Amino acid sequence: GQQVMQIPQYQHVQEGEDFTTYCNSSTTLSNIQWYKQRPGGHPVFLIQLVKSGEVKKQKRLTFQFGEAKKNSSLHITATQTTDVGTYFCAGMKEYNFNKFYFGSGTKLNVKP
Amino acid sequence: EAQVTQNPRYLITVTGKKLTVTCSQNMNHEYMSWYRQDPGLGLRQIYYSMNVEVTDKGDVPEGYKVSRKEKRNFPLILESPSPNQTSLYFCASSPIPSRDVYGYTFGSGTRLTVV
Repeated sequence: GQQVMQIPQYQHVQEGEDFTTYCNSSTTLSNIQWYKQRPGGHPVFLIQLVKSGEVKKQKRLTFQFGEAKKNSSLHITATQTTDVGTYFCAGMKEYNFNKFYFGSGTKLNVKP
Repeated sequence: EAQVTQNPRYLITVTGKKLTVTCSQNMNHEYMSWYRQDPGLGLRQIYYSMNVEVTDKGDVPEGYKVSRKEKRNFPLILESPSPNQTSLYFCASSPIPSRDVYGYTFGSGTRLTVV
């Protein structure tokens, strides 16, 4: 079954609205990464979170790692059409450094 | 330019005809991996390799083979492709995964159709 759950599967927003996608794991994660895949493109690494409760920002993007290191979120403030794409989280389980488990992704569509 | 190169980008083949998708990286990364992407299922790992001559199964290895004879190359082999292997395939590389890893670098993808 899916090791890392991600919701929602799709999100349609009007340009200027905010957007959030969530990832949840049933087990504790060592770290979590976020990727963006533009339509027709390949996933591109955005950021990695390691510490419990960590919050990182990249311009309009805010990434959070939960206190229990079992969940994470990506929030985009005031979306733009350039934000269109699918956002994936990928979690590495503690004591299993061989692989990342990818969420199923959230496809974001932004209407101008 | 640091990159992962996959070939071909598109491939249509018939059931049972052996094929190989090549993957090469120029970043001297130890870790390489193959993923398939299907709608609603995200990225699922097929095989991965921690270094030369070291490979292991991912979550969906059935019907696939890999080899790692050189550090830079990690080809994906489908000995007898079937229609359920129609998918978008990505190769990725990184330094050895750890708490300090800086993320995968993905290739541009190979869209495979098996008829």
